[in-house]
This record gives sequence, structure tokens and C-alpha cells, in this order.
Amino acid sequence: DAGVIQSPRHEVTEMGQEVTLRCKPISGHDYLFWYRQTMMRGLELLIYFNNNVPIDDSGMPEDRFSAKMPNASFSTLKIQPSEPRDSAVYFCASSLAREQYFGPGTRLTVT
Amino acid sequence: EDQVTQSPEALRLQEGESSSLNCSYTVSGLRGLFWYRQDPGKGPEFLFTLYSAGEEKEKERLKATLTKKESFLHITAPKPEDSATYLCAVQAPSGSARQLTFGSGTQLTVLP
Repeated sequence: DAGVIQSPRHEVTEMGQEVTLRCKPISGHDYLFWYRQTMMRGLELLIYFNNNVPIDDSGMPEDRFSAKMPNASFSTLKIQPSEPRDSAVYFCASSLAREQYFGPGTRLTVT
Repeated sequence: EDQVTQSPEALRLQEGESSSLNCSYTVSGLRGLFWYRQDPGKGPEFLFTLYSAGEEKEKERLKATLTKKESFLHITAPKPEDSATYLCAVQAPSGSARQLTFGSGTQLTVLP
């Protein structure tokens, strides 16, 4: 049973570049979440979807961040333009019941 | 605003030395309290969900308990492979229906 899949696992980019993170949720799950984890702020919810529809994006830090879920098996988180303060680990999680199951994360470094 | 505070921030134990991690919360109308384990370089791994005061759940050397103000994660006779960061999170009606608010975690190190 494949868990949540994220790609890439590591991304290093220069300030100003566009970054796209990808997520494949667990099959059958109807909720998808995007989180960001840093040492300073811990694990923060950015946005979540229910049945491919964005429900709450109040955690998205700025207009530079956008997320889409075109179908039940794929979601993207895009940062354009990227800034050094965006460096963090980004997690995708999915759920069917209340428990959320996390992917392995994408470590983003913006230089 | 929902608040989740975990203590201690870090804990070092000798193998076999039992202890407890604390998660205190201030939420209105708790819908669920969740415990996760996170290993370095990996995503959080779900352990337990507790829904009401007095509830307990066990898994191997771990037991989670819940009161109206806090939850404890008891670790009995820990082994080095129990070393990880343990995160707790709450789900409350004040947030979005499925939103979890996470604590900052307790980093547990079990020495052989």
C-alpha cells in the first residue's frame, strides 16, 4: 500500500525562480493538506482541499504561494518567485477519517 | 486561538528508563487529540487519536492518555529505536473542520 508520494525530495533553487512541489495522496482519501515545517515555526498548515476543492487557504503566507488539485490523485504547491525565507520542508498529507497521513516531504532550499 | 504546548522540549533516557511526555492544550470543544512520531528526514507518522477525557490507547511500549487539559504519552522500558520527535496536535471546532494545530514536539533520545 503506497503512502503519500511527494516529489522532488530535495530542491535547491535560486531566489526569484519558480518552484513546483508535487503530491500524490493515498488512493481513496478525500482530504489533502499542505504543511510547511521550520525550526522556528514548527509544522504549519498552508492549505487544504476536500474532494479537490480548496477549503481553507488562510495559512498561505503570501500571494507568491498557490496550490492546485486538478484531480483526486495529484496536487501541486507552487512558489513564484521564491525567496530565501521560503526554505523549509514542505509536507503533503491526506486523510479519509480524522487521522492525517504524511508524505516524506520536500526539502526546499532557496539561495 | 487554539494553543498546544509540549514539554519537555528534549528528553534523554537510558534504555529501559520509563518516562512520560506532556501535551497541554487550550481549545474550545476538543474534537480529537493526535500523537505523531517523526524521525529525522521523514514525515510525521500517525500513532494515536484520543477523543474524550479518560480515554487511553496503547501500542507496544507507548500509551497515550487524555484529560480535559492535557495528554500524556507514556513510554515504558524504551529502546534506542524509540528515539524520535513526538508531536501532538489538536482538532477543534474553532478551526476549519479538519485543521490540526501542532505542538512544537519533544525530541526523545534513548541511549543504549
